[in-house]
Amino acid sequence: DAGITQSPRHKVTETGTPVTLRCHQTENHRYMYWYRQDPGHGLRLIHYSYGVKDTDKGEVSDGYSVSRSKTEDFLLTLESATSSQTSVYFCAISDRGYNEQFFGPGTRLTVL
Amino acid sequence: RKEVEQDPGPFNVPEGATVAFNCTYSNSASQSFFWYRQDCRKEPKLLMSVYSSGNEDGRFTAQLNRASQYISLLIRDSKLSDSATYLCVVNRGNQFYFGTGTSLTVIP
Repeated sequence: DAGITQSPRHKVTETGTPVTLRCHQTENHRYMYWYRQDPGHGLRLIHYSYGVKDTDKGEVSDGYSVSRSKTEDFLLTLESATSSQTSVYFCAISDRGYNEQFFGPGTRLTVL
Repeated sequence: RKEVEQDPGPFNVPEGATVAFNCTYSNSASQSFFWYRQDCRKEPKLLMSVYSSGNEDGRFTAQLNRASQYISLLIRDSKLSDSATYLCVVNRGNQFYFGTGTSLTVIP
């Protein structure tokens, strides 16, 4: 299995609080992605990174920001969490951006 | 129009059966294609990449038709352990687009 970890694995928080999710990889892959998965929608891209300090928006980026200061870490921040951001968040990596992706175990976030 | 469309199923098949899943994609500039499986409450895992010439991995066969923008997955001799959701994934420009998945249950 690819070396990808996500933390925390589960989080319950209140509306209006900031939340940061972390993705860590040991594969030295250039591309890293954050997705959310909701019933009926499948996996939707939030943001992705194509290198250190290089990021771009995905389909559902409103309300989220990201940072990548090191190759191995990609952080997803919800500046002020809302109930609509309750979801399962997956991080993924890819070496070349068109090769297969490998996923982390996911983070279950509940915003009350 | 969605980038990737799949029949959501569910498909309920007996052990040993052959089952086929189909997927269509909307953008002809799509570059690479994959099938993933996802077990309940787990992360998606790569099942196989899909090549233009078609490819096989044991009981699994994938086909790509670029002219029709159509991808298929065939599972032969279904096992109980094949029960999962199968995701069709298409890549274009460093981004990946996911179908909503097809649910398969293999029945003893």
